Amino acid sequence: GAVVSQHPSWVICKSGTSVKIECRSLDFQATTMFWYRQFPKQSLMLMATSNEGSKATYEQGVEKDKFLINHASLTLSTLTVTSAHPEDSSFYICSARGPTGTFAYEQYFGPGTRLTVT
Amino acid sequence: AQSVTQPDIHITVSEGASLELRCNYSYGATPYLFWYVQSPGQGLQLLLKYFSGDTLVQGIKGFEAEFKRSQSSFNLRKPSVHWSDAAEYFCAVGAGGSQGNLIFGKGTKLSVKP
Repeated sequence: GAVVSQHPSWVICKSGTSVKIECRSLDFQATTMFWYRQFPKQSLMLMATSNEGSKATYEQGVEKDKFLINHASLTLSTLTVTSAHPEDSSFYICSARGPTGTFAYEQYFGPGTRLTVT
Repeated sequence: AQSVTQPDIHITVSEGASLELRCNYSYGATPYLFWYVQSPGQGLQLLLKYFSGDTLVQGIKGFEAEFKRSQSSFNLRKPSVHWSDAAEYFCAVGAGGSQGNLIFGKGTKLSVKP
């Protein structure tokens, strides 16, 4: 149980285009999802926290107009990288807060999406 | 502010040898602590967690960790390492608040020699 998927697992896009990454909780409802960014050989940096039906909360330094997050349902959150540039190339990982009744800090991670901007 | 320090960037051990990965945290109250493992190009898998109670916690894949409040540490151990344990290991602490955010250490890369 508590499986999180991401799609696509790998995407290449041209500079200036937008790309959408989906994060789904497959067997539970996730009221809260998190988006992380991970540069090569570095740790995960939280980008934003999204709650179903409300606006995402972005971490300091993260451009909300560039990284659009939508959490329209209890099983789906999307991250759209708008007008992507090569410096946006990174590994993006989502996680979902555990099902109702589990501890608040239980997060279940997706397999990640490798974004390469050319 | 909460923080997590993993002092060792890269550790190499021989297969069959014991392993200890260090993690120190900074947190004002009782911390919620986690160890995750990440294989190359993959997401994170939870190895174990500490919320309260017994300070020695058992996890999956034969891993255990001990919470030591006096040392602000939560070191990960395994008595006998297997080649498949080679991966990146992250220690994390709950950041407080109602959202359940986690703060991650920088990670320790484990290499296993045959």
